[in-house]
Order: sequence, then C-alpha cells, then structure tokens
Amino acid sequence: GQQLNQSPQSMFIQEGEDVSMNCTSSSIFNTWLWYKQDPGEGPVLLIALYKAGELTSNGRLTAQFGITRKDSFLNISASIPSDVGIYFCAGRNSGYSTLTFGKGTMLLVSP
Amino acid sequence: NAGVTQTPKFQVLKTGQSMTLQCAQDMNHNSMYWYRQDPGMGLRLIYYSASEGTTDKGEVPNGYNVSRLNKREFSLRLESAAPSQTSVYFCASSERSRRNTEAFFGQGTRLTVV
Repeated sequence: GQQLNQSPQSMFIQEGEDVSMNCTSSSIFNTWLWYKQDPGEGPVLLIALYKAGELTSNGRLTAQFGITRKDSFLNISASIPSDVGIYFCAGRNSGYSTLTFGKGTMLLVSP
Repeated sequence: NAGVTQTPKFQVLKTGQSMTLQCAQDMNHNSMYWYRQDPGMGLRLIYYSASEGTTDKGEVPNGYNVSRLNKREFSLRLESAAPSQTSVYFCASSERSRRNTEAFFGQGTRLTVV
C-alpha cells in the first residue's frame, strides 16, 4: 500500500525560530493536506494543496506541493508557544479515495 | 456548527466487554471514516464508508465492526475488547467529489481496555 514518510519525528526549538518539516511518498498524490493536532484534541486542517508546485500560506504557515507530486513541505515562521502540537501530512488521490497519513512531527517550542 | 461529534470522550472497558463508539456529522458529507491513533504510529484507518449504505475495511479492521446508520451517523463497535485496542479513536468525514478532498475530524474517544 501507499506509505508516507514524515520527518523529522520531533523537534524542540526556541520561540522565534523557523521550522521545516516534510513528507515523501512512494507514490503520486493529487492532493496534499497538512493537519495540526493539539494535545487532547482531534486533527485540524491547516492547509490543502491541489496542484503540483503550488505554494500556499496560512498566516505564518507555508506549505508546498512538490513538483514530482511525491512530496510536500510545511514551514512555520517565527514559532510561538501555541505552535506546540503534532503536525501530520496526508495524501489523497481524489475525494473518492481514502487519506494516507504520515506518522506525524511533534513540535515543542520553548518560550 | 458542531462539525463531527464523537461520544463518549473517555471509556474504560474490561477485556471481553463490548461497546459502540458513536459519531455524527452535520456537514452533509457523504464519506465517513474511523481511525485509531497510537504513539509513534500516526493515524491508521480502521473502516470507512464512502457513501450511505456502503462500508469498507481499512488498514486495521480486525476486532471491529461498523454501521453506517444514515448519512449523518457512523458507529464503530468492539464486540470483545482486547488490551491491544487501547487507543484514541477518531471519526472523520469528507465530501465525496473529485476535487474536494478535505477531511474533518472529531475530538476523539480515549479508550482503555484493562
């Protein structure tokens, strides 16, 4: 089946630093989604990407759909303590297929 | 707008007991999903329902059954709970169309089997 490799597994950074994480796939996806999960909560959609090469921002977050359609990147600029959580990437081929999730990147931010 | 609602939020079961996890969505979505989340394993699909009246196995279906009661509701049943089913369970829903692929999650059910 399809697999997503998400890295890094965890990051511990200082407030104000920039963060980068990525996902790579063994197969092509037509959609990449990035979710954030706060402690004790369900995942919340941050950014959706629908076209190869697409670069989309949501506040301090920027995500890119890789040109090969096998990878995606998420950057967080000027991190703050409320950025703490687990970030998941997910790939999908269409609304008729299921989502495949990465194993998550746990982000810890020190004030 | 409630989105996806799961009940209960917490549950402790003894080995061998049965229970049903409930999920309801108010977004008029066709597709609904059940995932389990374990440390270091990410989100793994248990079962899904692409549309009302259909259900299909996901990656880890053993030990579970599901019912798509109507368009709004999708329940997950553990017939004989085992300690290996201790996990956090998430229900999700999405539209069923070629372009719209975003999925929305409930807040989770934290299940402990002792």
